[in-house]
Amino acid sequence: AQTVTQSQPEMSVQEAETVTLSCTYDTSDNNYYLFWYKQPPSRQMILVIRQEAYKQQNATENRFSVNFQKAAKSFSLKISDSQLGDTAMYFCAWGGAAGNKLTFGGGTRVLVKP
Amino acid sequence: NAGVTQTPKFRVLKTGQSMTLLCAQDMNHEYMYWYRQDPGMGLRLIHYSVGEGTTAKGEVPDGYNVSRLKKQNFLLGLESAAPSQTSVYFCASSAGQSYNEQFFGPGTRLTVL
Repeated sequence: AQTVTQSQPEMSVQEAETVTLSCTYDTSDNNYYLFWYKQPPSRQMILVIRQEAYKQQNATENRFSVNFQKAAKSFSLKISDSQLGDTAMYFCAWGGAAGNKLTFGGGTRVLVKP
Repeated sequence: NAGVTQTPKFRVLKTGQSMTLLCAQDMNHEYMYWYRQDPGMGLRLIHYSVGEGTTAKGEVPDGYNVSRLKKQNFLLGLESAAPSQTSVYFCASSAGQSYNEQFFGPGTRLTVL
């Protein structure tokens, strides 16, 4: 079974600074998809960014970018110019190319301090 | 569009009671999912459906049943609630396979005493 590990339970960052969240996964598949979801205090899950494993170029969405290292099975999320609204739980998730399910990591709580 | 809605938002049960959680989506999605969220464990898949009339087991299906009689609705049932089922339950839907974004409901906080 696929596993997704987020080794940092909590992180804090000053407003306007940069924070990087780590995620590693275990799979024997060659083609798959990786996601970062954000869960603010409202509890609503929101997709932040998505990466396709067959694309070497790292995905970016405004202030959010990933560092995808396929050989190392690593998928980190960088939040640049952190804003108070970035305070949330962040979940890394893996989905197989031929499947229809996601496997989530345990989450990292990010606190942005003013 | 309301997206994905869940009913109820909060519920307290006594051990042994039963209840049904309702999920509804208005995006005409084929795929629907039920997850539970527990501290430090992320979201774990309970059951899912790939279309009207179909259901399949996820990672933690024991103690739960589901039904998908209509494409827009996905029901999660607890026949005999146990304290271990105290959790936050999320429903999600997507247009297709895993590369598609999953859209989540607001969650249901369930406490079993």
